[in-house]
Amino acid sequence: AQSVAQPEDQVNVAEGNPLTVKCTYSVSGNPYLFWYVQYPNRGLQFLLKYITGDNLVKGSYGFEAEFNKSQTSFHLKKPSALVSDSALYFCAVRDPSGSGYSTLTFGKGTMLLVSP
Amino acid sequence: GAGVSQSPRYKVAKRGQDVALRCDPISGHVSLFWYQQALGQGPEFLTYFQNEAQLDKSGLPSDRFFAERPEGSVSTLKIQRTQQEDSAVYLCASSPNRQQGQPQHFGDGTRLSIL
Repeated sequence: AQSVAQPEDQVNVAEGNPLTVKCTYSVSGNPYLFWYVQYPNRGLQFLLKYITGDNLVKGSYGFEAEFNKSQTSFHLKKPSALVSDSALYFCAVRDPSGSGYSTLTFGKGTMLLVSP
Repeated sequence: GAGVSQSPRYKVAKRGQDVALRCDPISGHVSLFWYQQALGQGPEFLTYFQNEAQLDKSGLPSDRFFAERPEGSVSTLKIQRTQQEDSAVYLCASSPNRQQGQPQHFGDGTRLSIL
């Protein structure tokens, strides 16, 4: 069974400082990994994904994430946080190695609060 | 519109009533997904359609939940004899094809409250 852990319920950072939102995963095969962001009363918006290739992936709004296979992690990062980045962030994983279509499993989310 | 559209945005029902939630995916998207998001939690998979075929319904919590996509476009999630534990946000998502590396495009959800 596949699973995702987001160990922090909330991350607080000052505007202009770097931010990191942590994610670890568990799958039996090679993972497909995704980050989504959710603003209040809205659906999830795709930020970035890792499928294969370079461990550092770049996505929307200046976000990036680093895939670390040995640590089974896929932490979300941004060099300089904006107040408008304040939102709920979800990490998700799918294991495409089996037959058929595998479901996407989400973490419970991390609230990012960026203070002015 | 260009995105996934869900209606109604809010639904209040009394326990025991039946409800129907609608999803209009992005035009031409083959894959359609339903998720249930409880307060303070991540979305949990309910069911998956490829065109009109329901290929995975393993996440439906009980036989009171039923989903269909008869013409391979619009989908309806129906909940019969609603219970208070059904209160949640129901999210619909679509993706262009069945490639598993494709990101899913989400609607804004239907917030269901059972009194």
